[in-house]
Amino acid sequence: SQQGEEDPQALSIQEGENATMNCSYKTSINNLQWYRQNSGRGLVHLILIRSNEREKHSGRLRVTLDTSKKSSSLLITASRAADTASYFCATDAEDSGYSTLTFGKGTMLLVSP
Amino acid sequence: ETGVTQSPTHLIKTRGQQVTLRCSSQSGHNTVSWYQQALGQGPQFIFQYYREEENGRGNFPPRFSGLQFPNYSSELNVNALELDDSALYLCASSLGGGVTEAFFGQGTRLTVV
Repeated sequence: SQQGEEDPQALSIQEGENATMNCSYKTSINNLQWYRQNSGRGLVHLILIRSNEREKHSGRLRVTLDTSKKSSSLLITASRAADTASYFCATDAEDSGYSTLTFGKGTMLLVSP
Repeated sequence: ETGVTQSPTHLIKTRGQQVTLRCSSQSGHNTVSWYQQALGQGPQFIFQYYREEENGRGNFPPRFSGLQFPNYSSELNVNALELDDSALYLCASSLGGGVTEAFFGQGTRLTVV
């Protein structure tokens, strides 16, 4: 089953614009991670935010986490055509002594030149 | 590019056959997780191996089985293939014992006909 749900399912913007993707989840988490996937290939880790953190930055990426609302957002500033990909949030909820990731269905981002 | 390699990259099998997929984890990583990603969906957790022992399992039937070797590489075996097993199979390695990011391979695209 999928814990997280990204919103929107698809997003189309022009180069230079900002892109915001949202993620909602259902259970308590240790941390939340965002991954990127190009054309059905492997996932690339973008950023990890722990449950006791509210905001984190990495280059053009900004992630926020609101554990009271069980939601997170990923902001990509000054987008480029190369940012075109699918973006997934994944929650890490430690269970039975091991840690694994539960992914949402993803947001497909298209950045046009 | 991560240090995680998967083989083969593509595979076509007939319903009822058996398949073995392979994954070499990133150097120093002792934990391997396998995920199944159907078209248009997020990855779903199959199982995880930590130091050669199965450490956790998702909602997949017993015909999905795995192994982890002393060098921490891993295999995913699927018996009695069904058409719905057609998917991208992703392997992710991580350093167990705490919360860390996962490094994904490029995946094996399995088509069952």
